[in-house]
Amino acid sequence: GENVEQHPSTLSVQEGDSAVIKCTYSDSASNYFPWYKQELGKRPQLIIDIRSNVGEKKDQRIAVTLNKTAKHFSLHITETQPEDSAVYFCAASRGAGSYQLTFGKGTKLSVIP
Amino acid sequence: DAGITQSPRHKVTETGTPVTLRCHQTENHRYMYWYRQDPGHGLRLIHYSYGVKDTDKGEVSDGYSVSRSKTEDFLLTLESATSSQTSVYFCAISVGQGAISEQFFGPGTRLTVL
Repeated sequence: GENVEQHPSTLSVQEGDSAVIKCTYSDSASNYFPWYKQELGKRPQLIIDIRSNVGEKKDQRIAVTLNKTAKHFSLHITETQPEDSAVYFCAASRGAGSYQLTFGKGTKLSVIP
Repeated sequence: DAGITQSPRHKVTETGTPVTLRCHQTENHRYMYWYRQDPGHGLRLIHYSYGVKDTDKGEVSDGYSVSRSKTEDFLLTLESATSSQTSVYFCAISVGQGAISEQFFGPGTRLTVL
């Protein structure tokens, strides 16, 4: 089955700096890669996703890049703000069929004011 | 919130007792999922359903069973709870058409097995 590795497990940045979280996956048939943000005590919230026919996608201060050849994808947050502090999870899926997601173990991002 | 509710939101039970968690959705989505979340493990799929009476196992299905008798409800049962099943349980649904659809999560149920 699919295996998703996520790094780093914790990340501290100064407010206004950029943050980058990286994930690798093992199943070359995976074609859908969402990112979730989870604040303490809350549910995971989908913040951005990318399909395998796209190399990069941006939404305001967040962007995701995908390298299918190397089987890795990354989340980039620019101009970080204290409200970006949360745990971020990457995931991978084959898409069609059961749409099962395999998650990384998460990155705890702390933005220091 | 994609119209997903979970009940109960918190439960404390004793080892060996049966426990049933309920996930309810209001928008007739076909796919529903149960995950558990534990520190250091992220989210792991327990079971999922692709329609009424159609279910399949996920990565960590041992000790759990599910049922889906109506489109809107997906039940997770721990037949005989153990302390290792202390966790936060999230239900999710797939929204969208075609080959890829997005998953949205319910608010979660915190289960403690003493």
